[in-house]
Amino acid sequence: AQSVTQLGSHVSVSEGALVLLRCNYSSSVPPYLFWYVQYPNQGLQLLLKYTSAATLVKGINGFEAEFKKSETSFHLTKPSAHMSDAAEYFCAVRGGTGANNLFFGTGTRLTVIP
Amino acid sequence: NAGVTQTPKFQVLKTGQSMTLQCAQDMNHEYMSWYRQDPGMGLRLIHYSVGAGITDQGEVPNGYNVSRSTTEDFPLRLLSAAPSQTSVYFCASSPPGQGRTEAFFGQGTRLTVV
Repeated sequence: AQSVTQLGSHVSVSEGALVLLRCNYSSSVPPYLFWYVQYPNQGLQLLLKYTSAATLVKGINGFEAEFKKSETSFHLTKPSAHMSDAAEYFCAVRGGTGANNLFFGTGTRLTVIP
Repeated sequence: NAGVTQTPKFQVLKTGQSMTLQCAQDMNHEYMSWYRQDPGMGLRLIHYSVGAGITDQGEVPNGYNVSRSTTEDFPLRLLSAAPSQTSVYFCASSPPGQGRTEAFFGQGTRLTVV
């Protein structure tokens, strides 16, 4: 079985500050991990994904995430927050045995303070 | 390139009414799924399909039916709407790739049951 836990339902950062959104996973098989972003009243857009290649994954809009097997983590970071980063962010896991079902965390709403 | 198209975008139903949420994709993806999004609960899988004629239940299937007669379409039916089904519904599709590929999401249907 697969699941993810996102610590912190709300995160506030100042514009220009580091963004860190936390995601821990649980999986009985090697996981594939995803971060999605959702802007108000829109669907989900893929930020980045980990599929067992490089452990440091770079995505769109300056975001990156590092897969750490020893910590079962896949935290999302961005060095400098921009006002346009304000959105809700979801971490998701998919089992690596060919199953296609994505299991989502409960989401983290990011607020950027000017 | 339309991607995943959901209709309608908004709907208000009375308790006990039935309706069908439409989902169509033009990417020839075999795998399609329906999620519901509720505050603080992330996205939860309702039903999914791995190809035409094949459907299966997700985490929260009660009160919903699906069918998959073509690769392109995956409608979600509410037979007797209840206030607990007030939610935002997302349809998604994925290309093959043994779990490595991301899901592509529609823009969502916001359903209110009164």
